Amino acid sequence: GQSLEQPSEVTAVEGAIVQINCTYQTSGFYGLSWYQQHDGGAPTFLSYNALDGLEETGRFSSFLSRSDSYGYLLLQELQMKDSASYFCAVINQAGTALIFGKGTTLSVSS
Amino acid sequence: DTEVTQTPKHLVMGMTNKKSLKCEQHMGHRAMYWYKQKAKKPPELMFVYSYEKLSINESVPSRFSPECPNSSLLNLHLHALQPEDSALYLCASSQEGDRGGEQYFGPGTRLTVT
Repeated sequence: GQSLEQPSEVTAVEGAIVQINCTYQTSGFYGLSWYQQHDGGAPTFLSYNALDGLEETGRFSSFLSRSDSYGYLLLQELQMKDSASYFCAVINQAGTALIFGKGTTLSVSS
Repeated sequence: DTEVTQTPKHLVMGMTNKKSLKCEQHMGHRAMYWYKQKAKKPPELMFVYSYEKLSINESVPSRFSPECPNSSLLNLHLHALQPEDSALYLCASSQEGDRGGEQYFGPGTRLTVT
């Protein structure tokens, strides 16, 4: 089977840095994805890590350690608009679809 | 064009009605998906079409019936639904096999079953 663990809630203030961790158990690992979803909206792809290391895209970075079955999403220079749910996800064993973690609700205050 | 469109945006239907949800993408993606999402929960996979063929049916009740008329279109036919089927229904697409983990989601159809 496959399972992902991530914190349910994180709070921070504008301008801060926040890290959302994700640990996973899966057979046939291909890579770790991150999605953002605002209330009432659809999930939006943020990043994908297939190899160990850090991937940076603007204010967001994502990290993967395959040996530790662990990854994180790093959000810098937080803005109010970053308040959303963030999901980590892995490809299922058949390599055909995503399995999502339960999501982390990020609340950014001024 | 990185857009996935879905219609309708909102749907209210009775338990005896038949309705259809529609999804369209023009990114040349060969895999398309239906997800169901309840409030405060992650998306749950329902169906996967790869090259217009159903490749995954996650033990979804037969009152949900998917259809892929061509590589750009995906439908979800609804019949005799239950109130617990009320949810956000999301369509997504990706390159075939989705080994890149990158899917593009439509805005969803918010379904209410009365």
